[in-house]
Amino acid sequence: AQTVTQSQPEMSVQEAETVTLSCTYDTSESDYYLFWYKQPPSRQMILVIRQEAYKQQNATENRFSVNFQKAAKSFSLKISDSQLGDAAMYFCACVSNSGYALNFGKGTSLLVTP
Amino acid sequence: GAGVSQSPSNKVTEKGKDVELRCDPISGHTALYWYRQSLGQGLEFLIYFQGNSAPDKSGLPSDRFSAERTGGSVSTLTIQRTQQEDSAVYLCASSLVEDSYGYTFGSGTRLTVV
Repeated sequence: AQTVTQSQPEMSVQEAETVTLSCTYDTSESDYYLFWYKQPPSRQMILVIRQEAYKQQNATENRFSVNFQKAAKSFSLKISDSQLGDAAMYFCACVSNSGYALNFGKGTSLLVTP
Repeated sequence: GAGVSQSPSNKVTEKGKDVELRCDPISGHTALYWYRQSLGQGLEFLIYFQGNSAPDKSGLPSDRFSAERTGGSVSTLTIQRTQQEDSAVYLCASSLVEDSYGYTFGSGTRLTVV
């Protein structure tokens, strides 16, 4: 089983600035996947970025990138050039390669101010 | 359909009543998942379907909860004798079996038990 911890219940960033959301996880598996999901008020979970644990290179998707530190079991999300539309709840999640059920953290609420 | 559709969007029910929540996955997606999101919490895994069978029901919180899937498509989550602690957002997701980590989520059903 995996546990995922997000230590920042709320974060705030000014438009066009950069913000980093923290996530740590614990797993006994050697092969697993990590995710960041965004949940706007519409409630739909939207995949932001995905990282395979066996890949050392950090995943990037446009303005979103991760800092994956496997030894430290850390998986932070960096949002560059923040936009008002980035305001949402962000959830970190983990699943083992042999599993299917995503294990989620409790989320970080991101506020973007003009 | 184009996305995962869940109905109703919102449901208010009296304590002790039974409720049915519906999930219509993306056409062709063989895997289907139900999660529960309580206020201020992350997502809690409930049940996983592969086709019409549910190999993992371990997340169902009590025997008042049941789920079925017919025709490898629509799934219904039933909660009998609802309790106030059942109040939550119930999210459904689906995926292609060969890309079991490419989950697409619906917008959920917000259940309020009064």
